[in-house]
Amino acid sequence: QKEVEQNSGPLSVPEGAIASLNCTYSDRGSQSFFWYRQYSGKSPELIMFIYSNGDKEDGRFTAQLNKASQYVSLLIRDSQPSDSATYLCAVTGGDYGQNFVFGPGTRLSVLP
Amino acid sequence: EPEVTQTPSHQVTQMGQEVILRCVPISNHLYFYWYRQILGQKVEFLVSFYNNEISEKSEIFDDQFSVERPDGSNFTLKIRSTKLEDSAMYFCASRGQSSYNSPLHFGNGTRLTVT
Repeated sequence: QKEVEQNSGPLSVPEGAIASLNCTYSDRGSQSFFWYRQYSGKSPELIMFIYSNGDKEDGRFTAQLNKASQYVSLLIRDSQPSDSATYLCAVTGGDYGQNFVFGPGTRLSVLP
Repeated sequence: EPEVTQTPSHQVTQMGQEVILRCVPISNHLYFYWYRQILGQKVEFLVSFYNNEISEKSEIFDDQFSVERPDGSNFTLKIRSTKLEDSAMYFCASRGQSSYNSPLHFGNGTRLTVT
C-alpha cells in the first residue's frame, strides 16, 4: 500500500528556533519529494523539492533526504510566526507514477 | 507569474444535483490533476489527465465523476449526482513536464458544499 506518513502535530516552537518536520514513505522506488505549505483554508504552495540523497538548502529552509531509510525532512531556521501553517510532504515517482501522494501534514505553530 | 485559476471559489448545491468545477491550468503545462480535501483531512488524489485522456484515477473517482478538457484552456471536473460526503475543497493542479523535478502548481480551490 502506498503511504506517506507525517506526525500530525501540532509542533510548537518559539520564534527564532529551528523547526524540524519529518516524513516517511513506503514506496522505495519513489523519485521526488516535495514540501508544500498550506495555510488554513488556502491551497498548498510549494516550498521546495529534493530528489537526491543529502541536504538541499533554500533560504531558511533545508530539505534532507535519506532514501535508504525512506525518510525526508524539512528544517526551518529562524522560525517566524508567519511560518505557522500545515506542512505537507508529497511523494511522486516509482509506483506513484505521475501522481503526487500527500501525507496528512504537520501543523506548525511558531510562538512569538 | 502564471497561475492556475479555478471557478467558482464556492459552490453550494443540493444533494443529487450535478456540479461542474472549472479550472484553467497554466498555459504551457501538459499534466492536469484534481485533488480534494475534506475539512481537516489530507489532500487526496482524484484523477490525473494527460494528452486528452485520464492517465490515473483513485478509488474515489467513481462513475459519478468525470473530467474533460473541452477546449485548449479549460479543464473541468463534473460530479453527476452529488452526495453529502462530496462536500470538500477541490483543487485543480497542473504540471509542466513529467520529469521528476517538476512540481504541482495548485489553484486556489473550489469549496463545494452539498446540502
